[in-house]
Formats: sequence, C-alpha cells, structure tokens
Amino acid sequence: EADIYQTPRYLVIGTGKKITLECSQTMGHDKMYWYQQDPGMELHLIHYSYGVNSTEKGDLSSESTVSRIRTEHFPLTLESARPSHTSQYLCASSELQGVNEQFFGPGTRLTVL
Amino acid sequence: AQSVAQPEDQVNVAEGNPLTVKCTYSVSGNPYLFWYVQYPNRGLQFLLKYITGDNLVKGSYGFEAEFNKSQTSFHLKKPSALVSDSALYFCAVRDMNRDDKIIFGKGTRLHILP
Repeated sequence: EADIYQTPRYLVIGTGKKITLECSQTMGHDKMYWYQQDPGMELHLIHYSYGVNSTEKGDLSSESTVSRIRTEHFPLTLESARPSHTSQYLCASSELQGVNEQFFGPGTRLTVL
Repeated sequence: AQSVAQPEDQVNVAEGNPLTVKCTYSVSGNPYLFWYVQYPNRGLQFLLKYITGDNLVKGSYGFEAEFNKSQTSFHLKKPSALVSDSALYFCAVRDMNRDDKIIFGKGTRLHILP
C-alpha cells in the first residue's frame, strides 16, 4: 500500500546529540517536504526537495540539514540538538506536476532535554 | 505574497448541527486552495481542494467547501457535525510565486459537543 512513513514516532534525547529523523514514501512522489510544528500550532516549512539531489531551504530558518539520495527517502539531520529544537516534525510528499495535495506522515515528536 | 487567514482559533458546534470553518485568501492570479485536517498526534490529512470549476467542492468524510471569489473566501462546511469531527483544521493556498509551495493558515480547532 502506498504510504509515507516516519521514524521514530517519539524521541527524547540530551543536548548536543546528533540525530536523524527518517522519512520514506512508497507513493512514487518526486517532491518531498519537512515541516516543523509546535503542538496544535501552525506549520513552518523548513526544507523541501524536487527530486534526487535536490534540496532547498524553506521559510523557517533551521539548523537541520537534509539529503535526497533516493527518491523515496528524505532524512533530516540535526548535528547538535538543543532544547529549542523540541517540536513535532512532519514529512510530506506530493507529485511534481499539477496542483497536487501533499500527503503527510504521522510525524516525529522530538524532545531535547 | 499569497496568504490565507483563518479568523477563528476555535469553533464549538453541537453534534448534529451544521458546521462552518472559515478561511479567506489573498492571491495574485488564480487561487488554488486546500483544506486539511489533523487529529491528535497525527500528520495532516487532505480533505479537498479547489482548482477551477464548480464553486462547491466535495471532499472526504462528508465535508465540502464553498469557493467565493468576490469575498475571497473558501469556507469548510458539513451539514451535520459528528463528535469524531473534532480536530484541527488547516486552510492552505498554493503559492505560485514561490516554487509552488503550500502556504498553511494557522489552523482552527473544531470542538463538536455531544
């Protein structure tokens, strides 16, 4: 079944740790996105990609980085986590052409102590 | 710049009553509009979109939205609310001037009272 997956769902780590949030989709979509959302609040686009080897920064400045080596995989990395990074991170994908809706993963709730 | 506004942070509706969640937009050119729903501890789910054509768009779970060009609005509606409709609802617009990114509103929390 075509879907979009995020792991882990919940992560609690200490300050200074390096972490990678995983996002994979089996929908065959070219475009992928990362959003940051404080619980119950608005979404902020932090990264997006048009396809393999394409990465762009979003509207919200973020200390995270992304990579797109495979179409289906779009991981987000924080080199040194801080308490200000505590938030929910949502991954999404969409088709490249046309006016298309985005499909979202279930999210990763990150807490940095 | 393209934008959407959701004027209500929260809407309370009694079960069985009709519901409306408001959204207004500001775009240059043709508006491409979306509604999404988010349940607790989940990602967003697509409900419906307006591209062109009929002003009344039907979507998932019995929801529909009315596009009104003169009022620049795209309100989400449902004839009879269910308790399970309680969630966070986001209106969004496609920003044709900025890499076709989707701009989301701040969200409206819908409470359906039993």
